[in-house]
Amino acid sequence: DAGVIQSPRHEVTEMGQEVTLRCKPISGHDYLFWYRQTMMRGLELLIYFNNNVPIDDSGMPEDRFSAKMPNASFSTLKIQPSEPRDSAVYFCASTLTGLAGGPQETQYFGPGTRLLVL
Amino acid sequence: GENVEQHPSTLSVQEGDSAVIKCTYSDSASNYFPWYKQELGKGPQLIIDIRSNVGEKKDQRIAVTLNKTAKHFSLHITETQPEDSAVYFCAAGVIKAAGNKLTFGGGTRVLVKP
Repeated sequence: DAGVIQSPRHEVTEMGQEVTLRCKPISGHDYLFWYRQTMMRGLELLIYFNNNVPIDDSGMPEDRFSAKMPNASFSTLKIQPSEPRDSAVYFCASTLTGLAGGPQETQYFGPGTRLLVL
Repeated sequence: GENVEQHPSTLSVQEGDSAVIKCTYSDSASNYFPWYKQELGKGPQLIIDIRSNVGEKKDQRIAVTLNKTAKHFSLHITETQPEDSAVYFCAAGVIKAAGNKLTFGGGTRVLVKP
């Protein structure tokens, strides 16, 4: 299995530009999570999907951030317009439905996208 | 919401010694406590987890203990090796049918000196 795939691995952009991060979950996984990692705030959950439907987006910092999952094998996290404080590593993770109907405990993380907004 | 605090933020140990990382959580409803290891340039990877109905769990050189009353849990690594050098994250969450969210601690950077 290829694991969770994220692209690009690194992104450098200028303030005000639109940034799109991409994620391909592990095949067959029906939960997908987007996280942001910074030195100041650690690892924060931004949003998660189940069967392509957003379940909880309470972690999305503001309206400049949006996430979509048009199908089971692809999700995007978009920042428009980007700001220097958005600089962070963004992780995507996926997992299967567990016995209780919710996600399994184990989340499988991708390698992350390191974003730098100048 | 849940708040997870993790200590220490950095830990340097001699190869062969033990390493202990401690976390506290605030939400008494949390019933699932995983530990993730993040190596340089990679995403976090689950190394061990524990549910609230268990006080201790061991897997080879790593073990986790949970004290529900005090709301704290710890990771113990024995006989540390250079490949144990990484950033370790604890997390707490509620496992339920409607979906579960994990709240992560701030991380501990472990350096094992040969």
